[in-house]
Amino acid sequence: SQTIHQWPATLVQPVGSPLSLECTVEGTSNPNLYWYRQAAGRGLQLLFYSVGIGQISSEVPQNLSASRPQDRQFILSSKKLLLSDSGFYLCAWSVLRGNQPQHFGDGTRLSIL
Amino acid sequence: KNEVEQSPQNLTAQEGEFITINCSYSVGISALHWLQQHPGGGIVSLFMLSSGKKKHGRLIATINIQEKHSSLHITASHPRDSAVYICAVYTSGTYKYIFGTGTRLKVLA
Repeated sequence: SQTIHQWPATLVQPVGSPLSLECTVEGTSNPNLYWYRQAAGRGLQLLFYSVGIGQISSEVPQNLSASRPQDRQFILSSKKLLLSDSGFYLCAWSVLRGNQPQHFGDGTRLSIL
Repeated sequence: KNEVEQSPQNLTAQEGEFITINCSYSVGISALHWLQQHPGGGIVSLFMLSSGKKKHGRLIATINIQEKHSSLHITASHPRDSAVYICAVYTSGTYKYIFGTGTRLKVLA
């Protein structure tokens, strides 16, 4: 069966520090991969999606970047965190063909101090 | 105006009540997805709909494509149903979902 792992679950970082959140998927090949952010009291906002290794689409201009070094690995990064980067970050995957449900990781709660 | 609107934003019910959460959208969609987010943050998929109605246990989801509207019903609600329920639409011709802001449901014993 397919599983998605996201870590860490909770992270507290100072302003200006770097960030690396990792997401891996098991049990499927060539998935679509997604990074979302959920700010307090707001809906999920799509940050990045990827349909293949090295293929990253960015949805909103921001302080973050994403990379997909392997088929089932998706990394969210920042060189210098801002206070506004605080939030709940979720990774998700779906099969490559369209119109299929997404499966979410457990999320990372990021607090910037 | 958001492309996906949910109502109500917050809902408190007594155990056993019948609950309805609504979702309206303004974009062309391939499918609509109902998700459940528990206090810890994890998200669970409940239903994916492209037409008609689906039922799973005490949960029923319906969609009217012409009216661009979907409802999620919970029969005989229970405190363990307390969560945020999120409507998401899979937009036509893309790989992307647009999410509603969620409905926070609290069921009291």
